[in-house]
Amino acid sequence: QVQLQESGPGLVKPSETLSLTCTVSGGSISSYYWSWIRQPPEKGLEWIGYIYYTGSTDYNPSLKSRVTISVDTSKNQFSLKLSSVTAADTAVYYCARGRRYMDVWGKGSTVIISS
Amino acid sequence: DVVMTQTPLSLSVTPGQPASISCKSSQSLLHSDGKTYLYWFLQKPGQSPQILISEVSSRFSGVPDKFSGSGSGTDFTLRISRVEAEDVGVYYCMQGINLPWTFGQGTKVEIK
Repeated sequence: QVQLQESGPGLVKPSETLSLTCTVSGGSISSYYWSWIRQPPEKGLEWIGYIYYTGSTDYNPSLKSRVTISVDTSKNQFSLKLSSVTAADTAVYYCARGRRYMDVWGKGSTVIISS
Repeated sequence: DVVMTQTPLSLSVTPGQPASISCKSSQSLLHSDGKTYLYWFLQKPGQSPQILISEVSSRFSGVPDKFSGSGSGTDFTLRISRVEAEDVGVYYCMQGINLPWTFGQGTKVEIK
């Protein structure tokens, strides 16, 4: 059974870069798309972007200038970097398997942007 | 961006009674490949979202048949035939036809 686990700093300073990694266990990262979605406090879901295991990506245009999603097949991991963060980027960040059909989700990683 | 509008935003249901959530998109979700890219997710309290239904009406493996999805074009509905305590949470629709994928605002379902 595939499981996803997000990891990374829970506190990031404004203007710095948020970095999260999603580790895939119980299955291979190959042959799938992998997504990042976030949820600000008390708000709904926002799609950030996805990556295919080959490395091709698509991003939300609202974040595109600041987002990079990468994959490391040797480690069965994919990662999210979000630069120049502000308080508006405070959220729970989820990784998920799939491009549209997101059938497996991580438990989420809370990231607070604060000095 | 495709705007997804859910109604109602909250629903209080007597156990055993049905519930219905509407989701309307600002443009048709029917793709040229013949598929309609509308999904339903449920986020139970304190949990990450879980997929319920894909492509309008296909239940995910293990999702009980009391959940059903219907609709076409821009109008979609999620129905729960008999609401139970385990069904509480926030239900989201999501479109996957045009990037960026977008979600509805969410409908909070509670038990009376």
